[in-house]
Amino acid sequence: QSVLTQPPSASGTPGQRVTISCSGSSSNIGSNTVNWYQQLPGTAPKLLIYSNNQRPSGVPDRFSGSKSGTSASLAISGLQSDDEADYYCAAWDDSLNGPVFGGGTKLTVL
Amino acid sequence: EVQLVQSGAEVKKPGESLKISCKGSGYSFSNYWIAWVRQMPGKGLEWMGIMYPGDSDTRYSPSFQGQVTISADKSISAAYLQWSSLKASDTAMYYCARRVQMGTIGYFDFWGQGSLVTVSS
Repeated sequence: QSVLTQPPSASGTPGQRVTISCSGSSSNIGSNTVNWYQQLPGTAPKLLIYSNNQRPSGVPDRFSGSKSGTSASLAISGLQSDDEADYYCAAWDDSLNGPVFGGGTKLTVL
Repeated sequence: EVQLVQSGAEVKKPGESLKISCKGSGYSFSNYWIAWVRQMPGKGLEWMGIMYPGDSDTRYSPSFQGQVTISADKSISAAYLQWSSLKASDTAMYYCARRVQMGTIGYFDFWGQGSLVTVSS
């Protein structure tokens, strides 16, 4: 099982806002920044959010991230069919001395 | 344009050795950490290890220490992931990824397309 905990699935209808949670501990999310990756079907992961709430160039502002204590969340507003993907949170873990990932959340657009 | 291009799919038998590659371009290869990430069929992402090509500093996840070897040849901007004796459980997609590290802020900003390794008798 993964060090970071995410719900296995989430869903929403086009135009809706959905959030995906990520829970960790003091050795990872509690003391380091959180990143989010989007993996479209059959493709490599892509950086979606870094440093808790920063978007790389080219990522729409429909995607936003936040962090509080040992938890983080990814919000997607104005849901589109193209957003159907697996979403992973990640953070550095001071105990492992390496990055850890969540188990991934499969987002379905109904 | 930053690119990481990985070697192609491999089909191997248990006990065989394998070395897959990840070639970087469009940036100073020596100055960024390169990580390897495993994704088993239908599963999530697992960090295997990371190397700084500039000085060959290498760290492994405890789960993969002793199971694989990470190396790099900075003269040709390539990183490698190597097995000496494959097992069926090594069947997975393997990704390389460039890591940006600025103080306490770190993330994987570019990823290779993945190398599918299938181990079957």
